[in-house]
Amino acid sequence: ETGVTQTPRHLVMGMTNKKSLKCEQHLGHNAMYWYKQSAKKPLELMFVYSLEERVENNSVPSRFSPECPNSSHLFLHLHTLQPEDSALYLCASSQKSGLIAGAGNEQFFGPGTRLTVL
Amino acid sequence: SQQGEEDPQALSIQEGENATMNCSYKTSINNLQWYRQNSGRGLVHLILIRSNEREKHSGRLRVTLDTSKKSSSLLITASRAADTASYFCATDANSGYSTLTFGKGTMLLVSP
Repeated sequence: ETGVTQTPRHLVMGMTNKKSLKCEQHLGHNAMYWYKQSAKKPLELMFVYSLEERVENNSVPSRFSPECPNSSHLFLHLHTLQPEDSALYLCASSQKSGLIAGAGNEQFFGPGTRLTVL
Repeated sequence: SQQGEEDPQALSIQEGENATMNCSYKTSINNLQWYRQNSGRGLVHLILIRSNEREKHSGRLRVTLDTSKKSSSLLITASRAADTASYFCATDANSGYSTLTFGKGTMLLVSP
């Protein structure tokens, strides 16, 4: 296991439910990410938080609402989801590097939450 | 839009053989990274190669990068059954926070 934890690991919800996914990183990183991984599709970046500020939102529907209360925690609030939202949701963290050409740090991923929307 | 694209989609080999996976991408990058994912689990970072590097080694892994052809390869030597997993390349175009664009991955099966 990495230093990134996610809860719950599995979640089944109806389309009218409201639930939240939680991610916690113990690595002292200052950037956190939400990804969606569906079958037979590339991993899709959903949101990026850098220094607790949302810096990217890749045209994600408003039924997904992220929250980053501090640099160690990231939430994904879910409401009125659709069956096609069923997927593995992965959280990751990294350390924001300086503006050095070619530099870049790896991302550390959590184990994911397997979400099924009925 | 999809940036990294791995080839082949699936690869089946015997233990002890070498496995080579290729990745092509479309736009300029800051660095390229390879990740591994066991079934239904999170991704694990394997190796990062910067845009000004051509080759990098880490244990049984060897990665090459050809920016003129916008391609990279991952070689796993002397494969083991435990290497069975999906392997993804990811390109990073940012120089600040990391923003990765992943390909669909290569599924590697190593048989004992």
